[in-house]
Amino acid sequence: EVQLVESGGGLVQPGGSLRLSCAASGFTFSSYWMHWVRQAPGKGLVWVSRINSDGSYTTNADSVKGRFTISRDNAKNTLYLQMNSLRADDTAVYYCATFGTDWYLSYWGQGTLVTVSS
Amino acid sequence: DVVMTQSPLSLPVTLGQPASISCRSSQGLLRSDGTTDLNWFQQRPGQSPRRLIYKVSNRDSGVPDRFSGSGSGTDFTLKISRVEAEDVGVYYCMQGTHWPHSFGQGTVLEIK
Repeated sequence: EVQLVESGGGLVQPGGSLRLSCAASGFTFSSYWMHWVRQAPGKGLVWVSRINSDGSYTTNADSVKGRFTISRDNAKNTLYLQMNSLRADDTAVYYCATFGTDWYLSYWGQGTLVTVSS
Repeated sequence: DVVMTQSPLSLPVTLGQPASISCRSSQGLLRSDGTTDLNWFQQRPGQSPRRLIYKVSNRDSGVPDRFSGSGSGTDFTLKISRVEAEDVGVYYCMQGTHWPHSFGQGTVLEIK
């Protein structure tokens, strides 16, 4: 059974940092691109970041460029999102997801809530 | 960036009746390999998104055949042939052809 389990969310002050993790199991983690998608309370889904299968290529949405860093450890089957200089508008549930090869699959975690507030 | 525009944003439907959601992209979604990465997701209250349709018209495993997708270029449609109570939730179209990938605003389906 495929599982993606996010952790690391919580309450952080503006300007602070958090690192999210996503533990993967049930599939060959090292074969697939991985993604972070977020959803502000009561709002829609927004792509945040993506990383290729070996971690050599990453892209971020403009809203998080220079502040968020996506990475992965294929030996540990884990995806990360390092979030720095957090702002109130980063408050959201953060989901990790994978879509297999060329969008033929779709797996999502349960999400982890990040709240940025003083 | 590609903007995905859905309509309607609210969709009250009687049980057993059909429903249709439209999605328009600001740029064409056809890739050079001839495929189109247009997906449809369902998000039930309190749950993670679940994909229903990929590459315009392919149903994901376990998705009831009352869900169907169609379209090409910049115009796409999700149809539910007969709405059931479990279909309540928010539906999003999403393009994976261009970066950044993008979702529509979401369509809230409710039972009348």
